[in-house]
Amino acid sequence: SQTIHQWPATLVQPVGSPLSLECTVEGTSNPNLYWYRQAAGRGLQLLFYSVGIGQISSEVPQNLSASRPQDRQFILSSKKLLLSDSGFYLCAVRTVSNYGYTFGSGTRLTVV
Amino acid sequence: KNEVEQSPQNLTAQEGEFITINCSYSVGISALHWLQQHPGGGIVSLFMLSSGKKKHGRLIATINIQEKHSSLHITASHPRDSAVYICALQGAQKLVFGQGTRLTINP
Repeated sequence: SQTIHQWPATLVQPVGSPLSLECTVEGTSNPNLYWYRQAAGRGLQLLFYSVGIGQISSEVPQNLSASRPQDRQFILSSKKLLLSDSGFYLCAVRTVSNYGYTFGSGTRLTVV
Repeated sequence: KNEVEQSPQNLTAQEGEFITINCSYSVGISALHWLQQHPGGGIVSLFMLSSGKKKHGRLIATINIQEKHSSLHITASHPRDSAVYICALQGAQKLVFGQGTRLTINP
């Protein structure tokens, strides 16, 4: 079965600093990968998804970017964090074979 | 109007009660997911449904495609069931999430 490794679990960063969150997947190949954000008291919002290496679809205009340098690696980045980037970030994988989803454990980001 | 609506938004019950959480949607879907989010934020996939009914332990999920409605039931609820339950619609490439139902089971 597939597993997701997402790190770090918590992060406190100053405004204007860069960000890099990494997500790696095991137990599957050629998955669809997703980055979601959940602001405090809000529902999950899709930020980016990728159906293959080097392919990124962006759902909302924002201060963030994503990259997929390898089949099972998905990275969320920012050059300069804003206060509004604070939230809970989740990586998810969807296997092409059975369309089920597995979610990472999440990163709680606080921008101060 | 949101594509997916969950009710209730908050639900508090006593241990042992039968719980029902509802999800209504307005678009065509290939499947519907029920997810559980614990206080720490981690999300677990409970069910993926495209028709009928699925059961796993004390959890039962049903879907009526014609009426665009799904329900999640918990039998013999327990305090460890306390969590946010999220309904999500499966589109071509992505999920569309409901706002979630916060369930609290008191001992």
